[in-house]
Amino acid sequence: QQQVKQSPQSLIVQKGGISIINCAYENTAFDYFPWYQQFPGKGPALLIAIRPDVSEKKEGRFTISFNKSAKQFSLHIMDSQPGDSATYFCAPREGARAGGTSYGKLTFGQGTILTVHP
Amino acid sequence: DAGITQSPRHKVTETGTPVTLRCHQTENHRYMYWYRQDPGHGLRLIHYSYGVKDTDKGEVSDGYSVSRSKTEDFLLTLESATSSQTSVYFCATQRGEVNPYEQYFGPGTRLTVT
Repeated sequence: QQQVKQSPQSLIVQKGGISIINCAYENTAFDYFPWYQQFPGKGPALLIAIRPDVSEKKEGRFTISFNKSAKQFSLHIMDSQPGDSATYFCAPREGARAGGTSYGKLTFGQGTILTVHP
Repeated sequence: DAGITQSPRHKVTETGTPVTLRCHQTENHRYMYWYRQDPGHGLRLIHYSYGVKDTDKGEVSDGYSVSRSKTEDFLLTLESATSSQTSVYFCATQRGEVNPYEQYFGPGTRLTVT
């Protein structure tokens, strides 16, 4: 059962453009919504995260938009740069409502390969 | 970089042989995780630990076992490696169960089972 669906699988944008990656989820026990960034040959690293009590969070060129009723959240990269070329994962966390051994676990999306052309 | 090292970084082994991957952290984080990464699947949790000698299964635990005898070390063992276990394995740590819930990842181990 796929709890998290990420789209698109790959994305190509020009330098200076806007990159948008979407994540849809089913599990209402998720209580923390991060995006991780992974460069080739490296482990993922936290990029930005949001709690469900706010609809938007911005850090520099990166913004998360969160729609609780639609069970979706998205990553927007403004003024995309070639250095942003990486794989991006949404990875919502199961909160206390999940109970038992699921509490605190991250569920990763399938990943989006972003390529920013100079 | 949260001071996480993984060893070995690359390994080729034959079907049926046992394999142990090691994760070492210097941050004194309570939680440690083992994931595998395969194309089209993102990262999937194999096992995790919430303290010394306290471990539990993730979503893809069949064929894997773990041990944590010290806070800083988390071992992943493939009892009898199969070709389906060819993957990139990542270790991760998390300080505790308080916000921020950031997980810190190691550099990964690429395992090939022939």
